[in-house]
Amino acid sequence: GAGVSQSPSNKVTEKGKDVELRCDPISGHTALYWYRQSLGQGLEFLIYFQGNSAPDKSGLPSDRFSAERTGGSVSTLTIQRTQQEDSAVYLCASSSPTQGEAKNIQYFGAGTRLSVL
Amino acid sequence: AQKITQTQPGMFVQEKEAVTLDCTYDTSDPSYGLFWYKQPSSGEMIFLIYQGSYDQQNATEGRYSLNFQKARKSANLVISASQLGDSAMYFCAMRRGRQAGTALIFGKGTTLSVSS
Repeated sequence: GAGVSQSPSNKVTEKGKDVELRCDPISGHTALYWYRQSLGQGLEFLIYFQGNSAPDKSGLPSDRFSAERTGGSVSTLTIQRTQQEDSAVYLCASSSPTQGEAKNIQYFGAGTRLSVL
Repeated sequence: AQKITQTQPGMFVQEKEAVTLDCTYDTSDPSYGLFWYKQPSSGEMIFLIYQGSYDQQNATEGRYSLNFQKARKSANLVISASQLGDSAMYFCAMRRGRQAGTALIFGKGTTLSVSS
């Protein structure tokens, strides 16, 4: 498809289990972002990948959260030992930042709704 | 610290009327970018319009326009001739850093309801 693809669309898990969320960005986009959307906190930045540079992990809420981006394309967000407060919609976005162009639109996927029981 | 504030949790408008969604921002950086996104019930965030801090004119994209008042640090979204399909959550956002590729910080959003 042409857009950002996320899977699964919904995930229900038990407290303490690990989960993996996948994001397939738009082909050719070098930048990839993960955000979390929860009722109490709104939309929060989690992590940002840009090409081969070291990722910006400054938004990860705890060391239970990690993300990888293999081959500069698909990314996986892993949450270990899930807690109920991890329940949220996890959104992925990608963009193609061009040097000198300030606009740089981020295109979002439909998200993964995570429910931790 | 950078911050985006949207003070209207919900707005109601009738079809064909214009509506303004408020957004104020706070940043000490002279170079910044402001974005508006629409999130319908399906959940996907849809880009609507962009305003750069150095842009001389207010941005427009079809029925969307941005009322950018730099001195007041406001970037209000104006939707002209509202349609039923405009019913959604609207988010104002700003880049976290100066580089074009940095992540966004978002306001809490405004829910717009359009009635016939």
